[in-house]
Amino acid sequence: EIVLTQSPGTLSLSPGERATLSCRASQSVGATYLAWYQQKPGQAPRLLIYGVSTRATGIPDRFSGSGSGTDFTLTISSLEPEDFAVYYCQQYGNSITFGQGTRLEIK
Amino acid sequence: EVQLVESGGGLVQPGGSLRLSCAASGFTFNSYEMNWVRQAPGKGLEWISYISGTDRTTYHADSVKGRFTISRDNAENSLFLQMNSLRVEDTAVYYCARNVPTRYFFDYWGQGTLVTVSS
Repeated sequence: EIVLTQSPGTLSLSPGERATLSCRASQSVGATYLAWYQQKPGQAPRLLIYGVSTRATGIPDRFSGSGSGTDFTLTISSLEPEDFAVYYCQQYGNSITFGQGTRLEIK
Repeated sequence: EVQLVESGGGLVQPGGSLRLSCAASGFTFNSYEMNWVRQAPGKGLEWISYISGTDRTTYHADSVKGRFTISRDNAENSLFLQMNSLRVEDTAVYYCARNVPTRYFFDYWGQGTLVTVSS
């Protein structure tokens, strides 16, 4: 099973700042088999990014994904108040596993 | 508009059974593969079951294999999860989620249904 480790566990930033979230895999997940989700309290996860860097329908361009192999990054270029939430990465190159999440909180 | 609506959650004793349902609308149900993903209280996401669109191929995570069974009724646009031999650690919100065929990320999710296993 591929284990995904997200860092940091909690990220405290202010609106307007840039957020960089990391997701590291225990082995290569393949060329493009990584997705990112946003989850707000009491809500279902929402797909942000798939195929490492492709934004899902309706996702603002301040969200971007990058990386390959075992190291991946979700970047939010300028935080909006609605971006504060928990973010999960997911690999689908070898079965399906999720990272443990990064909580993005308002500083 | 794509909609996925789960139902069937509730309180059940350890060792008991429960059947979850997910009603789908707004898309051609039999063209999509479907999944169940769960989230224990205050914890992260765990994929548990997958079913293909038409040939009924299924996969289950090791944590539920032999106890849970995923199924679907394409005529009724419905997805199911039969959960037997429930354990306290199965307590979670259960989401149904759609994936695009052969691309195993989840583009639509239901709102979830809470299953509590407790004596």
